Amino acid sequence: GQNIDQPTEMTATEGAIVQINCTYQTSGFNGLFWYQQHAGEAPTFLSYNVLDGLEEKGRFSSFLSRSKGYSYLLLKELQMKDSASYLCAVRSSGGSYIPTFGRGTSLIVHP
Amino acid sequence: GAGVSQSPSNKVTEKGKDVELRCDPISGHTALYWYRQSLGQGLEFLIYFQGNSAPDKSGLPSDRFSAERTGGSVSTLTIQRTQQEDSAVYLCASSSAGTGPPNTGELFFGEGSRLTVL
Repeated sequence: GQNIDQPTEMTATEGAIVQINCTYQTSGFNGLFWYQQHAGEAPTFLSYNVLDGLEEKGRFSSFLSRSKGYSYLLLKELQMKDSASYLCAVRSSGGSYIPTFGRGTSLIVHP
Repeated sequence: GAGVSQSPSNKVTEKGKDVELRCDPISGHTALYWYRQSLGQGLEFLIYFQGNSAPDKSGLPSDRFSAERTGGSVSTLTIQRTQQEDSAVYLCASSSAGTGPPNTGELFFGEGSRLTVL
């Protein structure tokens, strides 16, 4: 099976930087995703990591260490609209490659 | 269509009734997934389709839940004899085939169907 842990809630100030961590345990690894979900809306894809290292995409970056079973999502220059839930999902290499999601981290950005 | 479409967006039903939830994936996407999300919980996997077949239905919580997909496109999730614990948002997602480079296999989600069982 898979076990994915991420903090339940985080708060940050507009304009600041925030790092959301995700740790996982899986039998076989085939990629890690980060999704953003605003309240009442569909999750939307942010990033994908399958090799170790940092992937940068505008204000958002995602890091992966496969040996440590660890990833983080880094959000820079926070804006109020970044207040949302951030979901970490891990895809295993066995079976049907179905992503398993963590419970999500609710990020609150305040002025 | 341009995105994943789900209907109904909201469904209120009485305990014991059957409900059908529909998902219309992105055109050309062969993989289709059903998840459900309860308040304060993560996305719980229900069933996965590749084309019209369901190689993984391990997440269906009971035999009251079933799903089918026809024509490699539209999928219907059916819940029979609904119970209050079935209340949740049911999310459908689709993705293009392949999980190896250059495909990431990212999932594209619909807005979900919010089911409330009274």
